Amino acid sequence: GNSVTQMEGPVTLSEEAFLTINCTYTATGYPSLFWYVQYPGEGLQLLLKATKADDKGSNKGFEATYRKETTSFHLEKGSVQVSDSAVYFCALRNTGTASKLTFGTGTRLQVTL
Amino acid sequence: GAGVSQSPSNKVTEKGKDVELRCDPISGHTALYWYRQSLGQGLEFLIYFQGNSAPDKSGLPSDRFSAERTGGSVSTLTIQRTQQEDSAVYLCASSRGTERNTIYFGEGSWLTVV
Repeated sequence: GNSVTQMEGPVTLSEEAFLTINCTYTATGYPSLFWYVQYPGEGLQLLLKATKADDKGSNKGFEATYRKETTSFHLEKGSVQVSDSAVYFCALRNTGTASKLTFGTGTRLQVTL
Repeated sequence: GAGVSQSPSNKVTEKGKDVELRCDPISGHTALYWYRQSLGQGLEFLIYFQGNSAPDKSGLPSDRFSAERTGGSVSTLTIQRTQQEDSAVYLCASSRGTERNTIYFGEGSWLTVV
């Protein structure tokens, strides 16, 4: 079956620090990979995605590269801001159908001044 | 509408009562999903609709949970004889009909069973 494993939080960083949130997956076939973000008091929003191996998704300074050889999709940002404080979810979706997203457990990021 | 709309946004109910949660997807989206997010937990898939049919209902945790979708649009998630462990945020999402389309989430319905 499909599964997503992401690093446990909370992650606490100072503003302008470098961020990495690890995500690995297990899936049949060739899934698409996603990072969703949930800001305090808001719904889930798509942050970025990659649909095939070696693709890099990017948005708002965040990046993640689809690594098939290591089954990973780690989220990175070079310089975090207080406004990046949120819960980040890694997810996968198999191709072929409008199938469901399988999520990791989420990683809470707290950025302080 | 502009986004996925869910109601009620908050619901407190007594143990043993039935509750209905409503989801209004983005206009034109044929795929609709229900997820559950419990405190400190990830997102648990419940059911997926394509049009009015549910090709994947594998995530419904018990026969107390059911969902329907009518007219290819609005969906209702019903929980019968609620239990305290049903307390969670119930999220609805929708997308156009292929795997290449982004899934958009509503803000959720917070259910508290007392």
